Amino acid sequence: AQSVSQHNHHVILSEAASLELGCNYSYGGTVNLFWYVQYPGQHLQLLLKYFSGDPLVKGIKGFEAEFIKSKFSFNLRKPSVQWSDTAEYFCAVNDYPHAGNNRKLIWGLGTSLAVNP
Amino acid sequence: EAGVAQSPRYKIIEKRQSVAFWCNPISGHATLYWYQQILGQGPKLLIQFQNNGVVDDSQLPKDRFSAERLKGVDSTLKIQPAKLEDSAVYLCASSLLTVPKASGANVLTFGAGSRLTVL
Repeated sequence: AQSVSQHNHHVILSEAASLELGCNYSYGGTVNLFWYVQYPGQHLQLLLKYFSGDPLVKGIKGFEAEFIKSKFSFNLRKPSVQWSDTAEYFCAVNDYPHAGNNRKLIWGLGTSLAVNP
Repeated sequence: EAGVAQSPRYKIIEKRQSVAFWCNPISGHATLYWYQQILGQGPKLLIQFQNNGVVDDSQLPKDRFSAERLKGVDSTLKIQPAKLEDSAVYLCASSLLTVPKASGANVLTFGAGSRLTVL
């Protein structure tokens, strides 16, 4: 079965530090890739997505992610974090099975990021 | 546009009682999802509807959980009887497209969630 691994479960950074959150998936075919974010007390929302084209995608609030097909990775980056980036970050992968239209979204366990002011 | 509406936001019940959650998706979104999110874990899909038909309910504990989307718009998720391990946040999400096109495949918009505590 397809799986998504987020290597960092808890990350603590100081403001202005650089961020990289790892995400690896197991599916070898065509995929859609997502990062969702959940700020404290708020609902899950889309941070950025990759469907095709340029493997470096930019999202909201200065975040970006790079799809490296050979490494089955979609790592999230931000050059300088802010206190307001404190949140839970989820990587999700949408595979393309050969039959049917039901593309299931597979979620990672999430990474809790705390940014100290 | 209005977001995905869910109610109630919080519910505390005792084990073996029943509970129901309601979701109203974004207008025009054909696909509706119910997820269970246990603290410290990623969302787990319980059931996916396309209009009023079930697309995937493979992870729904059908002996106690049920869901319906009768008119292809809003949906209810019911748990009867509840167990302690059902304590979680129940997330409803909707999406505009279900086929994997380049721009819109499976981009989900989530509601605020309904937090269930089973004592």
